[in-house]
Parts: sequence; C-alpha cells; structure tokens
Amino acid sequence: AQRVTQPEKLLSVFKGAPVELKCNYSYSGSPELFWYVQYSRQRLQLLLRHISRESIKGFTADLNKGETSFHLKKPFAQEEDSAMYYCALGWGNQFYFGTGTSLTVIP
Amino acid sequence: NAGVTQTPKFQVLKTGQSMTLQCAQDMNHEYMSWYRQDPGMGLRLIHYSVGAGITDQGEVPNGYNVSRSTTEDFPLRLLSAAPSQTSVYFCASSYSIFGDTEAFFGQGTRLTVV
Repeated sequence: AQRVTQPEKLLSVFKGAPVELKCNYSYSGSPELFWYVQYSRQRLQLLLRHISRESIKGFTADLNKGETSFHLKKPFAQEEDSAMYYCALGWGNQFYFGTGTSLTVIP
Repeated sequence: NAGVTQTPKFQVLKTGQSMTLQCAQDMNHEYMSWYRQDPGMGLRLIHYSVGAGITDQGEVPNGYNVSRSTTEDFPLRLLSAAPSQTSVYFCASSYSIFGDTEAFFGQGTRLTVV
C-alpha cells in the first residue's frame, strides 16, 4: 500500500526565514514523488517533481530513500509562498496525497 | 487555454438525489482522474481512466460511478447522494503515467449534501 505522511497541518514562518515542509512516504517500489501547491482561490498545481531535480520558485526537494522522505525546502520564505502544500506519490493519473500543510509566511 | 474545466462550481443536493459532475479537458490527455478533498484528509482518489472506454477504481470509489466515452470528458455520477459525500471534488488530467509528467487540475466543485 502507498502512503504519504505530512506531519504538520499548519506551519508559520517569518518572511526571510528558512522553511521546510516535511513529507515521508511508504512505498514498496521506486517512488515517483511530487509537491503540489494550492494558492488561495486557485487550482492545485505542480510545484516540483523529484525526477526532474529542479528548483521552482526557490523551492527544492531531495528524495532520501534511506529515510523515505521528500522534504520541501526554501532558504528564504516570501509572503507569496503562503499556500497549501501537498506531497504526493504516484504517477500520471493516480496520485496518493498527504493531508497537506498550510504554510503562512508572516511579514 | 481552457485546460481542465469542471461544472458546476457549487452544488447543493438533498440526500438521495442524483447528479453528475462534469469534467472536460482540451489537451488531448489520455489519463484522467477524480479526487475528493476533505479537511484533514487531503485529496483521495475516487476513480481514474487511462483512455476512452477504460476506467478503474481508486481509494474511495463507493457511491460514485464514472464512464469515459470520449477522450475529452470524464463525468462523475452520484446515484444517491449522502451527507458523507459533502466535499470538494477535483478532476485532473495528464498526458502520461510516467514520473516526468504533470497532472493538471480543474478548479473544483464544492458539493454540499443536506
């Protein structure tokens, strides 16, 4: 069975501070992992995917197979980063989402 | 570009009523899926489709039916609505099932069953 855990429902940081959103997964095979973001009144959209090893809007995420983690990090949080973040495991049309972390960046 | 379009945006149903949530995409994506979003539970997969005529169940399929007669459309049917189906429903589509793909989501349908 696949499972994604995001332990923090709410996270608040000050502008300019580093931010880390935690994600742990449980999967028996080789996982495909993603971070999706939902800004206020907008639809869910892809932030980044582990296979691309990319940095989007200053966010990065490293897949740690030993710790089965895919934490999302940004060195300096911005107010526009305030949103709901979902970690997801899966592939094209089947995603298993975590419960989400609501990030608030305090000015 | 329209992308993934869901209708309606809001709906109130009485217990026992039936309705269809519409989802259409104009990107010629083969893969489509339906999720429900509930507080504290994230998004959960209801049904998915890998192409016209092919559908399968996700995590929480009970109470919902789907069909895929065309590539563009993937409607979700509630045959007899229950208060437990009060939720926000999202439709998504993608062009591949591989890890380098991206799922595109609709804007959601907020359904209340009273």
